[in-house]
Amino acid sequence: EVQLVESGGGLVQPGGSLRLSCAASGFTFNVYWMTWVRQAPGKGLEWVATIKKDGSEKHYVETVKGRFTISRDNAKNSVSLQMNSLRAEDTAVYYCARDQGPSLTTMGVVEYYDYWGQGTLVTVSS
Amino acid sequence: QSVLTQPPSVSAAPGQKVTISCSGSSSNIGNNLVSWYQQFPRTAPKLLIYDNNVRPSGIPDRFSGSKSGTSATLAITGLQAGDEADYYCGAWDTSLTSGVFGGGTKLTVL
Repeated sequence: EVQLVESGGGLVQPGGSLRLSCAASGFTFNVYWMTWVRQAPGKGLEWVATIKKDGSEKHYVETVKGRFTISRDNAKNSVSLQMNSLRAEDTAVYYCARDQGPSLTTMGVVEYYDYWGQGTLVTVSS
Repeated sequence: QSVLTQPPSVSAAPGQKVTISCSGSSSNIGNNLVSWYQQFPRTAPKLLIYDNNVRPSGIPDRFSGSKSGTSATLAITGLQAGDEADYYCGAWDTSLTSGVFGGGTKLTVL
């Protein structure tokens, strides 16, 4: 059974840092991209960052570039999100998701998330 | 503002059909594949449709997806009370080199 379990959320002051982790099990971790998606209270889903199977390629949403760093440890089947210089607008539930892309096919880029963790809440407030 | 545009809400009676639209551009929906997610309150999203119109194992055939040009549509037939949820479309955006989602549509079963 595929399982993704996030941890590391909590209350942090503006300008502070937090590191989220996602422990994966039930599948061969190193053959999948992994992605973080967040959801602010009462708002929609926002794609945050993704990392390639071997960690050699990473992409970020513009609003977190230079502040967040995604990484993975394939030996430990885990993916992390280091969040620095946190702002009030970073307050959200952060989900870890298994990513079936992004991969280029004859029909275009395939990108979807077939398994999600339960999420971990990050609150940025003084 | 989300990159993909969805109506904030839709509604229909039990047993009826409802469609949810998702509008994008050539850098996302127009040239890449679309996915759809269902989310109940206080739970993680669940994959409903991928590759425009493919249902994962376990998803009823009442749910279907389609794409035309820079727009995609999720259709739900035989509406049930248990379908009340938020629905999101998603795709890769080649210009942004990031995934993008619609703002979400709240489905109410009257």
